[in-house]
Amino acid sequence: DTGVSQDPRHKITKRGQNVTFRCDPISEHNRLYWYRQTLGQGPEFLTYFQNEAQLEKSRLLSDRFSAERPKGSFSTLEIQRTEQGDSAMYLCASSTILRGLAGDTQYFGPGTRLTVL
Amino acid sequence: AQSVTQLDSQVPVFEEAPVELRCNYSSSVSVYLFWYVQYPNQGLQLLLKYLSGSTLVKGINGFEAEFNKSQTSFHLRKPSVHISDTAEYFCAVKNSGGSNYKLTFGKGTLLTVNP
Repeated sequence: DTGVSQDPRHKITKRGQNVTFRCDPISEHNRLYWYRQTLGQGPEFLTYFQNEAQLEKSRLLSDRFSAERPKGSFSTLEIQRTEQGDSAMYLCASSTILRGLAGDTQYFGPGTRLTVL
Repeated sequence: AQSVTQLDSQVPVFEEAPVELRCNYSSSVSVYLFWYVQYPNQGLQLLLKYLSGSTLVKGINGFEAEFNKSQTSFHLRKPSVHISDTAEYFCAVKNSGGSNYKLTFGKGTLLTVNP
């Protein structure tokens, strides 16, 4: 397995601009997750996909945030009209339940660090 | 709702000393428990996990953790640390059944190993 990859690794944008991040999960994994990590904090859950279906969204995911996983493979997270409070590390993780719930371990990508000026 | 408390935000130790990073959790249902490590500007790497069975779990890089159900704790230990163990360590929980997908993390413990 090649691991979870994310692109870009770093993004600097001006307030009010839109940004989009991409996540490529481990190839056999049918579950995909997005988390946000701010400075000095642990990751916080944002949203979760099983195959192409978005099954859960956190209240942290405001209307300016949208996530997709159109073919059940890669996923994108878009933030519209960015605000300075959106500055954070955005982490993607993937897992599989093909080996049962006990095997459903999340593997994380390197993250995308967003800075909103 | 679940929560995770990592009792120490920072733990400084000298190289080759033993270390314990403390983690307590709160949950109304049974859980799986995890420790992840994060090196600067990188994602999270799984160190070890407790799913069931033996309460002493061994992980990568010489780390181990012990699940204590009565104390709702899952402390991480290493008998002798190296400079390369300097990193942020996160404890996390997940429901063991039902809608078990999302991880709930603690705030992390920064382990600094000094020469």
